[in-house]
Amino acid sequence: KNQVEQSPQSLIILEGKNCTLQCNYTVSPFSNLRWYKQDTGRGPVSLTIMTFSENTKSNGRYTATLDADTKQSSLHITASQLSDSASYICVVRAPYSGNTPLVFGKGTRLSVIA
Amino acid sequence: DSGVTQTPKHLITATGQRVTLRCSPRSGDLSVYWYQQSLDQGLQFLIQYYNGEERAKGNILERFSAQQFPDLHSELNLSSLELGDSALYFCASSVGSGSLEAFFGQGTRLTVV
Repeated sequence: KNQVEQSPQSLIILEGKNCTLQCNYTVSPFSNLRWYKQDTGRGPVSLTIMTFSENTKSNGRYTATLDADTKQSSLHITASQLSDSASYICVVRAPYSGNTPLVFGKGTRLSVIA
Repeated sequence: DSGVTQTPKHLITATGQRVTLRCSPRSGDLSVYWYQQSLDQGLQFLIQYYNGEERAKGNILERFSAQQFPDLHSELNLSSLELGDSALYFCASSVGSGSLEAFFGQGTRLTVV
């Protein structure tokens, strides 16, 4: 069964600190992996998208890494800001299949405090 | 603003009723996806339409149905509503059926009382 597991479930860090969120998946084969940021009560916004051949991608203070061999991805946030408080969702896309083309993790809820 | 518009933003209805959620995709996008997000749960894929035709189906209940119209807007119909159907319902759109990028709307918060 295709699954995406994220850890930790929640995280609290001080403003200005760095943090790393983890994503392990069993989707195989897969075509791409995405990280989304979702503010409470709002729609997810894409941060990064990586194909299976990419192993790192940055978007400002966000850097995603991918190890397709171990089926792991991480999202590193540097110099965190209060506005980074949100849920971060890892999503893996299988090559077109009839059902569930996108497999979502449950997300990591990040709280950045002053 | 993602360019995906969902209406209404909030909806409160009683058990047993039927509601319709509407989604207008970004200009030029042919695919529309529907997702359900219950409290403290991950996004659950319901169904995808591409250019008017059903493309993929997830864990969508038989009480739920959707369609995509010629102008590419989509509607999600939820009937015989139960308390457990209370959730955020998101619509996303993308250019193609297998596009890398999908843009999400702001969601419709459905409360069944």
